[in-house]
Amino acid sequence: GENVEQHPSTLSVQEGDSAVIKCTYSDSASNYFPWYKQELGKRPQLIIDIRSNVGEKKDQRIAVTLNKTAKHFSLHITETQPEDSAVYFCAASLSGGYNKLIFGAGTRLAVHP
Amino acid sequence: EAQVTQNPRYLITVTGKKLTVTCSQNMNHEYMSWYRQDPGLGLRQIYYSMNVEVTDKGDVPEGYKVSRKEKRNFPLILESPSPNQTSLYFCASSSRVADTIYFGEGSWLTVV
Repeated sequence: GENVEQHPSTLSVQEGDSAVIKCTYSDSASNYFPWYKQELGKRPQLIIDIRSNVGEKKDQRIAVTLNKTAKHFSLHITETQPEDSAVYFCAASLSGGYNKLIFGAGTRLAVHP
Repeated sequence: EAQVTQNPRYLITVTGKKLTVTCSQNMNHEYMSWYRQDPGLGLRQIYYSMNVEVTDKGDVPEGYKVSRKEKRNFPLILESPSPNQTSLYFCASSSRVADTIYFGEGSWLTVV
């Protein structure tokens, strides 16, 4: 089955710096890769996703890149702000709502003013 | 408003006392699932359901039961809770044809 590894487990940056979180997956059939942000005590919220027919996707300060050959994908946050502080989870699955998402263990991002 | 609603949000219970965490969605989604979240382990799927009367085990089903008698509801049952089931639980739902998963607000469960 699918296995997703996520690094680093914690990340501390200064406000304005960039943050990069990396994930690798094991099942080459996976074709849907969402990223979730979870603030303390709240539910995970989808912030961006990418499908395997696309190599990169950007939404304002957030971008995700996908390397299908190497089976890894990354989240890039530019110009970080204190409100970006949260736990970020990557996940992988086959596309389609029936298919189970396999989550990484999470990255705790701290953005210091 | 699209919602996944869980109850209770917070519960402290004692070992062996049966409890049920309810989950309801108003989006007519076919697919529902339960996850537990523990520090350093991310979200792990407990059970899932592809439609009414169709349920199956996820990655960590031991000690849990579910039912799907109606499309909108997917309760999680702990017949005899134990302290290792202390966790944050999320219910989630999604459409058969779309990728987006909607999470409930979470239920903090402590078993003493």
